[in-house]
Amino acid sequence: EAGVTQFPSHSVIEKGQTVTLRCDPISGHDNLYWYRRVMGKEIKFLLHFVKESKQDESGMPNNRFLAERTGGTYSTLKVQPAELEDSGVYFCASSQPGQGPHEQYFGPGTRLTVT
Amino acid sequence: AQSVTQLDSHVSVSEGTPVLLRCNYSSSYSPSLFWYVQHPNKGLQLLLKYTSAATLVKGINGFEAEFKKSETSFHLTKPSAHMSDAAEYFCVVSRLDRGSTLGRLYFGRGTQLTVWP
Repeated sequence: EAGVTQFPSHSVIEKGQTVTLRCDPISGHDNLYWYRRVMGKEIKFLLHFVKESKQDESGMPNNRFLAERTGGTYSTLKVQPAELEDSGVYFCASSQPGQGPHEQYFGPGTRLTVT
Repeated sequence: AQSVTQLDSHVSVSEGTPVLLRCNYSSSYSPSLFWYVQHPNKGLQLLLKYTSAATLVKGINGFEAEFKKSETSFHLTKPSAHMSDAAEYFCVVSRLDRGSTLGRLYFGRGTQLTVWP
């Protein structure tokens, strides 16, 4: 069974540009999460999808970030326009359907560098 | 407010000696607790989880953790370190307070484990 995959693994962009990160969850996992780790800080929650619906987006830093999950399969996270403080590692995770703290399976992350 | 505190940012041990990675949390409700590990260039992998069953939890690769409610701690241990254990370890909590969405995870800052030959 394939794990959670993320693309690209690395992205270097200039301030003001747009970047789109993609996450493919494990097949059948209704729950999809985005997290971010800024250098020197802890990994922080960004948002949670249940299928195509946003269950919780309280962790999104500002309106420059837009997450989508069309069709309830893969998800994209767009940053537009990117700022220097957006640099960090963006993790995606997925978990099986149903309530409760089911194990979240994480992808390897996308390292975003904004110069 | 919720918090997860990993008391050591770096731990160094010799191969074959015990490992102790410390974690304390604060929560208004009974939490679920996890330890994840991240090896270089890999995704986060679940080591073990506590979800209100036995307080001593056994995980993969010989790791275990004990939930101590009175101390609000969930320390990770291993009797004998192996070179392959070198990685970053994260203490993670869910259901920290009434407002927590089920599934949302709260991470400690991580502990980098170095294992010397």
